[in-house]
Amino acid sequence: DGGITQSPKYLFRKEGQNVTLSCEQNLNHDAMYWYRQDPGQGLRLIYYSQIVNDFQKGDIAEGYSVSREKKESFPLTVTSAQKNPTAFYLCASSIGQNNEQFFGPGTRLTVL
Amino acid sequence: KNEVEQSPQNLTAQEGEFITINCSYSVGISALHWLQQHPGGGIVSLFMLSSGKKKHGRLIATINIQEKHSSLHITASHPRDSAVYICAVREGTYKYIFGTGTRLKVLA
Repeated sequence: DGGITQSPKYLFRKEGQNVTLSCEQNLNHDAMYWYRQDPGQGLRLIYYSQIVNDFQKGDIAEGYSVSREKKESFPLTVTSAQKNPTAFYLCASSIGQNNEQFFGPGTRLTVL
Repeated sequence: KNEVEQSPQNLTAQEGEFITINCSYSVGISALHWLQQHPGGGIVSLFMLSSGKKKHGRLIATINIQEKHSSLHITASHPRDSAVYICAVREGTYKYIFGTGTRLKVLA
């Protein structure tokens, strides 16, 4: 089955701790994205990557970091510098000129 | 003012009703994407369109580029259609701007 997986579905961390969210895809998509969703707001782009070993900041990159060492994987680290990390995080991928995005199931991060 | 506005924000319908959700945007776009988000949070792609009209089952999406407006129609609505419907516009190749969503509840 082709798709995007994110793990875990729910994640709890103490304030001040870094945490890494996993995103894996087996769709052979070139581009991958990380979004944050907060109540009453549209999805906001954190980082995106067009190809392996390359990524760009989105609109709200402060306090986050990413890596793209493999085409299939695009992990997001939420650092202690992120002031308000509690949110729902969605990973997506796309391919080709169309660039229709396909989303993972999301990870709900709660910082206590 | 948001660059992508959806209306209504909330909608309750009776099973079988015809439903319309609207999306207006203020930026130049290369495509528009309709998405469905279920209560668990997962997002499913419904349509991507850059002109005209697309139909899939009971769902129809239209876009008017000149008026910067798109509509998503659901015919013969069913309780399983209950979800949040999100409009997203694509600027250039990789940047998407998302609306805040329309929460639809269809009652049996």
